[in-house]
Amino acid sequence: AQSVTQPDIHITVSEGASLELRCNYSYGATPYLFWYVQSPGQGLQLLLKYFSGDTLVQGIKGFEAEFKRSQSSFNLRKPSVHWSDAAEYFCAVGVKTSYDKVIFGPGTSLSVIP
Amino acid sequence: NAGVMQNPRHLVRRRGQEARLRCSPMKGHSHVYWYRQLPEEGLKFMVYLQKENIIDESGMPKERFSAEFPKEGPSILRIQQVVRGDSAAYFCASSPPTAGGLRETQYFGPGTRLLVL
Repeated sequence: AQSVTQPDIHITVSEGASLELRCNYSYGATPYLFWYVQSPGQGLQLLLKYFSGDTLVQGIKGFEAEFKRSQSSFNLRKPSVHWSDAAEYFCAVGVKTSYDKVIFGPGTSLSVIP
Repeated sequence: NAGVMQNPRHLVRRRGQEARLRCSPMKGHSHVYWYRQLPEEGLKFMVYLQKENIIDESGMPKERFSAEFPKEGPSILRIQQVVRGDSAAYFCASSPPTAGGLRETQYFGPGTRLLVL
C-alpha cells in the first residue's frame, strides 16, 4: 500500500542553522511528491513539488528538496533557517488509483531557537 | 482570485448536535477534498468530491458523516450527533478540473476548528 513516513516528529534548530526534514514514501511507480507547510492555526501552503526532470526542486521561502529514487526519499532542506520557519511540515505523495490521490505524511513540527 | 474559503472558522457544538462545515473552492475549481486533522496528528483524507458526485469516501466514518458538493453553492461536510472524538480541525482543498491529475496542486482553505463539549 502507498504510504508516506516522516521519521522525525519534532525538530528544533537554531536560527541561522541549516535544516533537513526527512520524508520517505512507499509507491511502486514514479511518484508525484509535495511538501506543504502549515503555520499555527492556518491551512496548508505548498512549498514545492516534484513531477519529473531535475531531481533537485526549488520552492518558495528558500526551501529545496531532492528526490532520490534509490532511497525512496524526498528530503526538504534549507541552508539557513529563520524564526518565521517554525511550523508543521507535511510531505505528500500523489498516487494513481482509480483516480489521482494525494497521501500525506504525519508531519514534522519545527521549532526555531533564537 | 480568492482562495479556498471555509466557514465557520471555529465551531462549538454540544454532544448530540449537528455540525455543518462549508467549503467554497477556488474559482474555476470543481474538485473538492476534505481532510481531518486530529490534535498532534497529520492530515487524514476523508472524502473527494466533484460537482454532484462523490468520487472517493473511503476515509469517511460509516456513520454520522456525510458530504456533498452540489451543482451550485459550497461543499458541505455534515456531522450528525457529534461526539467529543469529532473535535478536530477539518480542512478543505480544491483543485481545477483539468486532465493534469496529480500535476494539479491542491489548494487548502484555513480550516474549521470543531470543538465538541
